[in-house]
Amino acid sequence: ETGVTQSPTHLIKTRGQQVTLRCSSQSGHNTVSWYQQALGQGPQFIFQYYREEENGRGNFPPRFSGLQFPNYSSELNVNALELDDSALYLCASSLAGLRDASYEQYFGPGTRLTVT
Amino acid sequence: QKEVEQNSGPLSVPEGAIASLNCTYSDRGSQSFFWYRQYSGKSPELIMSIYSNGDKEDGRFTAQLNKASQYVSLLIRDSQPSDSATYLCAACPMDTGRRALTFGSGTRLQVQP
Repeated sequence: ETGVTQSPTHLIKTRGQQVTLRCSSQSGHNTVSWYQQALGQGPQFIFQYYREEENGRGNFPPRFSGLQFPNYSSELNVNALELDDSALYLCASSLAGLRDASYEQYFGPGTRLTVT
Repeated sequence: QKEVEQNSGPLSVPEGAIASLNCTYSDRGSQSFFWYRQYSGKSPELIMSIYSNGDKEDGRFTAQLNKASQYVSLLIRDSQPSDSATYLCAACPMDTGRRALTFGSGTRLQVQP
């Protein structure tokens, strides 16, 4: 167990709807990254939050947005859902700072999103 | 396009054998490398990280890094049926503090009892 939690576990939405996914980072970690994993593929980086600000973004459209809260938990919001958004959404927590020596990211269990 | 390439497999090895998993990457700016294990229907689990050229051993696992050849490998000694999973290789650039992992598509390992 990594100590990273995500909710909900599964979600079914209709095309055009909006969805919010949640993540609580591991105790002591201050950075949350979100990834999308399609079936049979490796995870694709969506964006990363560090100290409540977006700290880098992958090749995803603006309808993918996020937030990080003072307790370092995070949300991923997706608007105008498309069929291709069906995937496993993973959040990963890590520790960043002046003297951290690790780039290791620890994943939560994921949220399986199905768009019909 | 910064890429990480892996053979999709499946790689089939008998129980007790050494499994060798390989990965190449295209971004010379990559400085940190990770191996994750992912069981079917589960999320990736970090098993090894490596930052310097050479070998790094942790129990039955050995990660090898050759930055000149842009090549990373994972050896699993005394393979067990419980090692059957998809192994994901990930690379991370050391730039501006952003630690976005670029993943390969994974190699499926099957350990035959």
